[in-house]
Amino acid sequence: KAGVTQTPRYLIKTRGQQVTLSCSPISGHRSVSWYQQTPGQGLQFLFEYFSETQRNKGNFPGRFSGRQFSNSRSEMNVSTLELGDSALYLCASSPGQPLMREQFFGPGTRLTVL
Amino acid sequence: KNEVEQSPQNLTAQEGEFITINCSYSVGISALHWLQQHPGGGIVSLFMLSSGKKKHGRLIATINIQEKHSSLHITASHPRDSAVYICAVRPRAGGGADGLTFGKGTHLIIQP
Repeated sequence: KAGVTQTPRYLIKTRGQQVTLSCSPISGHRSVSWYQQTPGQGLQFLFEYFSETQRNKGNFPGRFSGRQFSNSRSEMNVSTLELGDSALYLCASSPGQPLMREQFFGPGTRLTVL
Repeated sequence: KNEVEQSPQNLTAQEGEFITINCSYSVGISALHWLQQHPGGGIVSLFMLSSGKKKHGRLIATINIQEKHSSLHITASHPRDSAVYICAVRPRAGGGADGLTFGKGTHLIIQP
């Protein structure tokens, strides 16, 4: 079974731009979670989707948004990029109930904001 | 103050030693996760616990819900165990933050 895939793997943007990151979960997994990892703050939860519905949301500004499609693929969008948005963005999928099951992580998208 | 505290922050040990990494949390939880992150960023989920003890190969994870504490043990450590180990908790519904709250991680180095 193929693992979780994320595209693109690396991305360079400038302040004020917007970016969309994509995550394809393991086949059959219905839950996708997104995380931000920075050297200063460590790992932080962004949001989580299950069956196309956002179930939980972390403490991030409204510039961060996401959605999940009927095939469970998910996208996250960051608008009006700031320097502090430079981070590794990870998604994880799990087969069932949000955050109550083992999660399988993708390789991440490394975003650099100049 | 972070809701999830890990200790130690850094640990260097010799191959073969028994390793213990601790995680304490301050809120009621419905689940606790142990994750392993290798250089380059890849994260692997090691355990998900809501009570008791789990074992997988040389790894053992325990949790004490009353004391709000979990430990990850590695027996017969090996240089390939060198990684950052991260504890994360899922607060109980209505317990505050949504989603997972993470510790800062324990950077483990096993020397041959």
